[in-house]
Amino acid sequence: DGGITQSPKYLFRKEGQNVTLSCEQNLNHDAMYWYRQDPGQGLRLIYYSQIVNDFQKGDIAEGYSVSREKKESFPLTVTSAQKNPTAFYLCASSRVAGNTDTQYFGPGTRLTVL
Amino acid sequence: GQQVMQIPQYQHVQEGEDFTTYCNSSTTLSNIQWYKQRPGGHPVFLIQLVKSGEVKKQKRLTFQFGEAKKNSSLHITATQTTDVGTYFCAGRTGAGSYQLTFGKGTKLSVIP
Repeated sequence: DGGITQSPKYLFRKEGQNVTLSCEQNLNHDAMYWYRQDPGQGLRLIYYSQIVNDFQKGDIAEGYSVSREKKESFPLTVTSAQKNPTAFYLCASSRVAGNTDTQYFGPGTRLTVL
Repeated sequence: GQQVMQIPQYQHVQEGEDFTTYCNSSTTLSNIQWYKQRPGGHPVFLIQLVKSGEVKKQKRLTFQFGEAKKNSSLHITATQTTDVGTYFCAGRTGAGSYQLTFGKGTKLSVIP
């Protein structure tokens, strides 16, 4: 069964702790993305990666870090430097980071920082 | 930077009524995509428009891309309860641009 998996679905953390969100895809897609969604807001791009061992900052990268050691995996770390980390985080992938490619989204992780 | 405005933010309709959401970009787009997010779910790709003035239909959904490639609309005819969700447009600028800029979405509620 092909797709994108994100785990866990819900995550709670105490303020000041770093937390890593998982994103795995078996679609053989080259490009992967992380978005943040807040209530009543659209999706805002945090980081994206076009190829293994390479990634670029999106619009709101401050307080986040990523790695892309494998094609299938693109974990996102929400650091303690992120001032407002409570949000719904969506991972996506596409065949290539091209102009017309569509993005396939995972089910998301809802992070709550207490 | 590029901005994509989407209106209305919310729309409540009686089942069977039509629904339209509009997207406007501050810059010319190379293409625009539409996604639907069901309550509690994740965005799912609906369609992509590339050509100026393009119109595409999917059953009761009609998508349009403006002549100037700066605006787009999604029209649903005779809404059903299965249409409930948030509809997002997402635009790209430039031939080499891969980044999608999302509108804030229109949340559609359908009253049975």
